Amino acid sequence: DGGITQSPKYLFRKEGQNVTLSCEQNLNHDAMYWYRQDPGQGLRLIYYSQIVNDFQKGDIAEGYSVSREKKESFPLTVTSAQKNPTAFYLCASSIRQYQETQYFGPGTRLLVL
Amino acid sequence: KQEVTQIPAALSVPEGENLVLNCSFTDSAIYNLQWFRQDPGKGLTSLLLIQSSQREQTSGRLNASLDKSSGRSTLYIAASQPGDSATYLCAVRVTANTGRRALTFGSGTRLQVQP
Repeated sequence: DGGITQSPKYLFRKEGQNVTLSCEQNLNHDAMYWYRQDPGQGLRLIYYSQIVNDFQKGDIAEGYSVSREKKESFPLTVTSAQKNPTAFYLCASSIRQYQETQYFGPGTRLLVL
Repeated sequence: KQEVTQIPAALSVPEGENLVLNCSFTDSAIYNLQWFRQDPGKGLTSLLLIQSSQREQTSGRLNASLDKSSGRSTLYIAASQPGDSATYLCAVRVTANTGRRALTFGSGTRLQVQP
């Protein structure tokens, strides 16, 4: 069953703590993306990756970091430098970057304790 | 910088009504435009993708149009059903050689179809 999985569904972060959100896809897609969604707003791009071992900053990369060591995995770390991390985080992938439909995972809701 | 606006922010209609959702964008040099559906607390589901060379796309009761010159797209939903209740988001992909390489999203229209 092909698709994108994100874990955990809910994540709680303490002050000063780094947390990592998982995103895995078995669609054999080259491109992967991380978005942040705040209530009543559209999605904003955090980071994207066109191929393995390559990634680029999006519009709101400060306080976040990513890695792309494997084609199927694109984890996002929310660092302590991100002062307002409470949001809904969505991972997506597409066959290539420019033309294809993006497919989204179910999301992770991050809350600060 | 590309900006995407969706009006109205929320819409409530009775079941069976035909309706139109609007999306406008400031930079007409787009590569494609995509409409998504998002159920509460869930990820996005792609509904329709229109390439810049196309004028419209249809899928079942959904029809999306694109007018690049005026910076507008509409999503037409025919014979609405309660199951259509969701937030509908449009997103544009700017032409690749401008350097912006991902989708820019509008804030969505929250649709409620009353039974």
